[in-house]
Amino acid sequence: NAGVMQNPRHLVRRRGQEARLRCSPMKGHSHVYWYRQLPEEGLKFMVYLQKENIIDESGMPKERFSAEFPKEGPSILRIQQVVRGDSAAYFCASSQNTGDNQPQHFGDGTRLSIL
Amino acid sequence: GEDVEQSLFLSVREGDSSVINCTYTDSSSTYLYWYKQEPGAGLQLLTYIFSNMDMKQDQRLTVLLNKKDKHLSLRIADTQTGDSAIYFCAESGGYQKVTFGTGTKLQVIP
Repeated sequence: NAGVMQNPRHLVRRRGQEARLRCSPMKGHSHVYWYRQLPEEGLKFMVYLQKENIIDESGMPKERFSAEFPKEGPSILRIQQVVRGDSAAYFCASSQNTGDNQPQHFGDGTRLSIL
Repeated sequence: GEDVEQSLFLSVREGDSSVINCTYTDSSSTYLYWYKQEPGAGLQLLTYIFSNMDMKQDQRLTVLLNKKDKHLSLRIADTQTGDSAIYFCAESGGYQKVTFGTGTKLQVIP
């Protein structure tokens, strides 16, 4: 039973380029969460999605960042016109639903480096 | 807003017990978690506890929750070198947006 799959594991971009990070939730999970971890810090919530819906994007920067979770395929976190400050590890988590006893399971993350 | 705090560093000798402490501010927290992160890796869910419980034990791990003081601890019995990692305390409520602490780096000395 595969866990949360994120790809790529490492991504290098030059300033001004676009970064696309993909996340496939665990089988049977319909809730996806994206978090960002800056060096030497904990994880910060960015966005919570269900299929085709953004439920909470209160942690997303207002510009350049967007997320989607289409009916078919993985969830995508898209960063346009990347800047050095976007360098971080981006983690995706999924859960089955929001009921009791449904913790979030995390992927191994995508480490984004901006040159 | 929600806040989770934990000490940054803990050093113990192999075979001793480790106790990692955490405090949180959100009184509506429903679940409290401990995650483990090894260098360059993702987060591994170690254990979690519901806010209506005060203790949970799972093999070498014991979680204690003092809801009145909003204090959570993780005890690792017979600490091994493989336990060296960063341990994150986290809490969630409602639809499970998780708030993380900054992590405690556990160093196990052989």
